[in-house]
Amino acid sequence: GAVVSQHPSWVICKSGTSVKIECRSLDFQATTMFWYRQFPKQSLMLMATSNEGSKATYEQGVEKDKFLINHASLTLSTLTVTSAHPEDSSFYICSAKLAGEHTGELFFGEGSRLTVL
Amino acid sequence: AQTVTQSQPEMSVQEAETVTLSCTYDTSENNYYLFWYKQPPSRQMILVIRQEAYKQQNATENRFSVNFQKAAKSFSLKISDSQLGDTAMYFCAFTMGGAQKLVFGQGTRLTINP
Repeated sequence: GAVVSQHPSWVICKSGTSVKIECRSLDFQATTMFWYRQFPKQSLMLMATSNEGSKATYEQGVEKDKFLINHASLTLSTLTVTSAHPEDSSFYICSAKLAGEHTGELFFGEGSRLTVL
Repeated sequence: AQTVTQSQPEMSVQEAETVTLSCTYDTSENNYYLFWYKQPPSRQMILVIRQEAYKQQNATENRFSVNFQKAAKSFSLKISDSQLGDTAMYFCAFTMGGAQKLVFGQGTRLTINP
């Protein structure tokens, strides 16, 4: 149980285009999802917290207009990188928390590697 | 703000040896949760072990165990009888629980040599 699926696993796009990454909890309901960014050989940096039915909470320094997050249902959150630039190239990881679970344990997607040309 | 520090960027041991990864954290809270996650080359984050701060007993999961020192704010991971499949990045993480975010340390790259 507690499987999180991310799609696509890798994507290449041209500079200036927008890219959408989906994060789905396959067998549980997730009221809260988190989006992380990971640079090579570095730790995970939290970008935003996504709550179902409400606006995402962004971490300091993360541009909310560039990284659009939508959490339309209890099983789906999306991250859209708008007007992508080469510096947006990175590994993006989503994670989800079981509704009602109190320990804060997160279940992670497989990650999505974005390359902007 | 809570912070998590892993002071060992890289470690390397021989197969079957025991290795300990260090982690310290900073918080003024009394109730919280600590985790060790493993990120193998596939990049999929996998939970290794979890510790609730209110529990004095150290958590164990087969070959993995922790040494939780609450007063010292230390949370080290011991891997016994290490295996080649243990090669990965290991991240220590902290959360207040509930919907609170998970804060990660910088990570330790562990290599198990045959």
